[in-house]
Amino acid sequence: NAGVTQTPKFRILKIGQSMTLQCTQDMNHNYMYWYRQDPGMGLKLIYYSVGAGITDKGEVPNGYNVSRSTTEDFPLRLELAAPSQTSVYFCASSYRLGTGGKDTQYFGPGTRLTVL
Amino acid sequence: TQLLEQSPQFLSIQEGENLTVYCNSSSVFSSLQWYRQEPGEGPVLLVTVVTGGEVKKLKRLTFQFGDARKDSSLHITAAQPGDTGLYLCAAMGGSNYKLTFGKGTLLTVNP
Repeated sequence: NAGVTQTPKFRILKIGQSMTLQCTQDMNHNYMYWYRQDPGMGLKLIYYSVGAGITDKGEVPNGYNVSRSTTEDFPLRLELAAPSQTSVYFCASSYRLGTGGKDTQYFGPGTRLTVL
Repeated sequence: TQLLEQSPQFLSIQEGENLTVYCNSSSVFSSLQWYRQEPGEGPVLLVTVVTGGEVKKLKRLTFQFGDARKDSSLHITAAQPGDTGLYLCAAMGGSNYKLTFGKGTLLTVNP
């Protein structure tokens, strides 16, 4: 199993450009997540999905959109890139029964995005 | 919003020393996790604790969950350069079934 894969690894965007960060998992996990990590700020949840066709906002969703048409894929879309979106983006997935208890999340290697 | 405070923010020690890092909150959690993140990689889960007072050991790492399930500590014995990385705590609690992450402790173990 490849686990969670993310593409691209690095990207530089100009202000106002758009792009899609790709995330794929091959573990048949029902939950998927997008986080951003800024220096010294930990991980902030952008969006998450509890299954195909279902998505919901996290802590910092503004400026982003997601879709979950399949169990495996959870792309993150930036429509009008802004310098504030310069960050490292991590996709994660987990298998959960219900909403409580443990949640072991498996993370991808990240996408480093710079908006100039 | 549940807030997780990790301390210290930075820690630089020599190989062979012992250390403890902390994760504290005013909220009660149903479970708490510790992750380690190496440069250029995503976080990797080390342990999950769910019971107040629980202690788990992973080789030279000892994790403890506070009796009131509001705090946790990670103790490393005889640190090695391979322990270098960012240690993140994450917790889930109440009706919010999403993980909240602390800002992390950046550990450097010098040979």
